[in-house]
Amino acid sequence: GENVEQHPSTLSVQEGDSAVIKCTYSDSASNYFPWYKQELGKRPQLIIDIRSNVGEKKDQRIAVTLNKTAKHFSLHITETQPEDSAVYFCAASEYNQGGKLIFGQGTELSVKP
Amino acid sequence: NAGVTQTPKFRVLKTGQSMTLLCAQDMNHEYMYWYRQDPGMGLRLIHYSVGEGTTAKGEVPDGYNVSRLKKQNFLLGLESAAPSQTSVYFCASSYGDRNTYGYTFGSGTRLTVV
Repeated sequence: GENVEQHPSTLSVQEGDSAVIKCTYSDSASNYFPWYKQELGKRPQLIIDIRSNVGEKKDQRIAVTLNKTAKHFSLHITETQPEDSAVYFCAASEYNQGGKLIFGQGTELSVKP
Repeated sequence: NAGVTQTPKFRVLKTGQSMTLLCAQDMNHEYMYWYRQDPGMGLRLIHYSVGEGTTAKGEVPDGYNVSRLKKQNFLLGLESAAPSQTSVYFCASSYGDRNTYGYTFGSGTRLTVV
């Protein structure tokens, strides 16, 4: 089955700096890669996703890149703000496998003012 | 429109007791999922369902059972709770359409087994 590895487990940046979180996946059949943000005590919320026919996607300060050959994808947050502090999870899914998401271990991002 | 509702929100069980967690969604989603979240381990899939009357095992199914008798409800059962099942449990649902993958999560159930 699919296995997703996420790095780093913790990341601390200064406000205004960029943050990058990386994930690798094992199943070459996976074709959907979402990123979730989870604030303390809250439920995970989808922030951006990418499908395997696209190499990069941007939404304001957030971007995701996908390298299918290397089987890795990354989340880029620019101009970080204190409200970006949260745990971020990557995930991978193959549609014909019931749409089930396999998650990485999570990255705790801390943005210092 | 409540989205995905989980009950209860908190529960303390003694080892060996049983309980059922309820997940209800009002979005007419086909697919439903149960995850557990433990520190440093992300969200791990327990069981899932691709439609009414169907269930399938996920990554960590042992010690849990599920049922999907109605499309809007997905129940997670613990027959004989163990301390290793102390966790936060999240239910999620999705349309299951290849153009609409996104999950909607419930608010979670914090379970402690003593």
